Amino acid sequence: GAGVSQSPSNKVTEKGKDVELRCDPISGHTALYWYRQSLGQGLEFLIYFQGNSAPDKSGLPSDRFSAERTGGSVSTLTIQRTQQEDSAVYLCASSSFTGTGGRETQYFGPGTRLLVL
Amino acid sequence: TQLLEQSPQFLSIQEGENLTVYCNSSSVFSSLQWYRQEPGEGPVLLVTVVTGGEVKKLKRLTFQFGDARKDSSLHITAAQPGDTGLYLCAGVTFSAGNMLTFGGGTRLMVKP
Repeated sequence: GAGVSQSPSNKVTEKGKDVELRCDPISGHTALYWYRQSLGQGLEFLIYFQGNSAPDKSGLPSDRFSAERTGGSVSTLTIQRTQQEDSAVYLCASSSFTGTGGRETQYFGPGTRLLVL
Repeated sequence: TQLLEQSPQFLSIQEGENLTVYCNSSSVFSSLQWYRQEPGEGPVLLVTVVTGGEVKKLKRLTFQFGDARKDSSLHITAAQPGDTGLYLCAGVTFSAGNMLTFGGGTRLMVKP
């Protein structure tokens, strides 16, 4: 398929372990976004990439969270020393950023469901 | 901090009824988008509104953007069971790479 894919689809981990979540954007999309969806907080923005650069990391909840993007394509969101409050669905989206003032469509992947025990 | 408030949070109606979902912002975004999300999937864009007073129609769905570009509504006419899902409004911040700020969502259930 040509959509955004994420892996794994589900991840169960123990408190204190590190996890890596992967996002494969739509081919050719220069912009990539990470969001988190939880029952208590709704859907919240974490970080975005334009190419391989992340201009603003202020949306990341703590310094245990980091993300990188290589080759202008695949992105990895890493959570170190996971806590139970990290349990959520992590969604990735991509778009072709054309600079048309907010009219671009973000295409979302199905998400990774993370459960920290 | 820019905030989006959606109402109602939950809505359960019978097939054939009409409904309206509201989205109110504390400030002006570059544009406003409406998404629909089904269980186990990511949100899917329904519409983008940009201009104050704008009205867009998508079959039985009508989207309005307030004149001041701080509030929006989604009206569904003659709802069908297939309309069941989570509806989300989102403000787009162009200066932040089109970052989306989401409202809390409206969970709609349409009973046959």
